[in-house]
Formats: sequence, C-alpha cells, structure tokens
Amino acid sequence: GAGVSQSPSNKVTEKGKDVELRCDPISGHTALYWYRQSLGQGLEFLIYFQGNSAPDKSGLPSDRFSAERTGGSVSTLTIQRTQQEDSAVYLCASSAGTGGTQYFGPGTRLLVL
Amino acid sequence: AQSVTQLDSQVPVFEEAPVELRCNYSSSVSVYLFWYVQYPNQGLQLLLKYLSGSTLVKGINGFEAEFNKSQTSFHLRKPSVHISDTAEYFCAVTLLNSGGSNYKLTFGKGTLLTVNP
Repeated sequence: GAGVSQSPSNKVTEKGKDVELRCDPISGHTALYWYRQSLGQGLEFLIYFQGNSAPDKSGLPSDRFSAERTGGSVSTLTIQRTQQEDSAVYLCASSAGTGGTQYFGPGTRLLVL
Repeated sequence: AQSVTQLDSQVPVFEEAPVELRCNYSSSVSVYLFWYVQYPNQGLQLLLKYLSGSTLVKGINGFEAEFNKSQTSFHLRKPSVHISDTAEYFCAVTLLNSGGSNYKLTFGKGTLLTVNP
C-alpha cells in the first residue's frame, strides 16, 4: 500500500465499552508499532511486533489493553472497559525491520465519554 | 533509559525568518535521532534522521539538523520558513545497541511552530 492506514479515524465510546482499533501497515514491512498520543503524556510507545517473534508489550498501560497481529500484517489494538483517561490519539507505525525508519499512519482519535 | 527534551513548547516566528527548534537527549549508549512533523489532524511525517556519518543532516521541506555528540543535541533549523511550516515538531531517539531494543522511539513533548504572515 501507499502508506500505513488506520481505522476508524475517529471513535466516540461510552465509559466501560470495549473498542477495537485497526492498523494496516505498509506492504512488506515486518515490524509494527502502536503509540499513544495524549495531552498529558505526549507520545508513548505501547507495543511492538516483529515477524513471528513474541511482541514487546512493555508499554501497555494496563491489562485492559491488548493487541494482536494476524498473518504478520494487519494489527488490532483492543481496549476493554474503556476509561476516560484512555481518550487519546492512537498511532500505528511500521518499518521494514527492527531498527528501520518508522512510518506512521494518520491515527485513530478515541474519545471516551 | 533514554530521554528527549524539547526546550520550547511553542515557537512563533514571522514568515521568511529563520528558525531553530531545540532538542537535547540523554542516553548511556549511542542513539539514532529523528525529527518528525505533525500537521493538524494528521499523523507523523519523517522530516529527517541521523543514523551515522555526517553530522549535518538534510531533510524534506528545506529543514536540516546537526548532531552534536558532545552537547547531546540535535537541533532542527530552517533558514526561511513559510506559513505552511506551521505544525508540531517532535524530536525522537531510539537506542543503537545489539540488545534488541533499538526500535522503541522515545519522543520529546513537541514544539509547536507557528509561522505568522
């Protein structure tokens, strides 16, 4: 594809609901990253996938957050029982390999009411 | 752990003026350095990067940055800005090591550049 795509672009949900955010990386990129951008915390690393290796989940803020990557391509970030503090822009990036330049998608703007 | 400091949260300038956005980092190991730009309601776009070699790096849209190891800085500069350069600019680092962690980007808080006519 031409670039990293994310859907939805905007999501409004009620506190306590679950949400799923999707990321389609650049074709052929083996590494995929999720970041969160919020007013208070700036840009934070959440999780990293590289090929078939175990993901690095060290940045996930709580066990309500999880992510998976199917077939080494598309990734889904799931937030269960959303809280107001989860409101942020969730950015996905991909790179050609570990340590390669990361290319970002447009983000999903999540608002938890 | 590495950290990135962008000293100015906002920088207002007039069109055609020069600008410098400051970035300092701290790390116990060598790093790769990046500048990203974020236009309103858009994702991050890579402006330029320093991996090795020449310490003066040229990027897109006429921007350049200079890596200064002794001062642990990677300031971004442009000799003459345009209205269209109005955006938020993020400095970022990733560690350069063999321990498997040279992928997490650590970002600064960002600098909002506003170019006024």
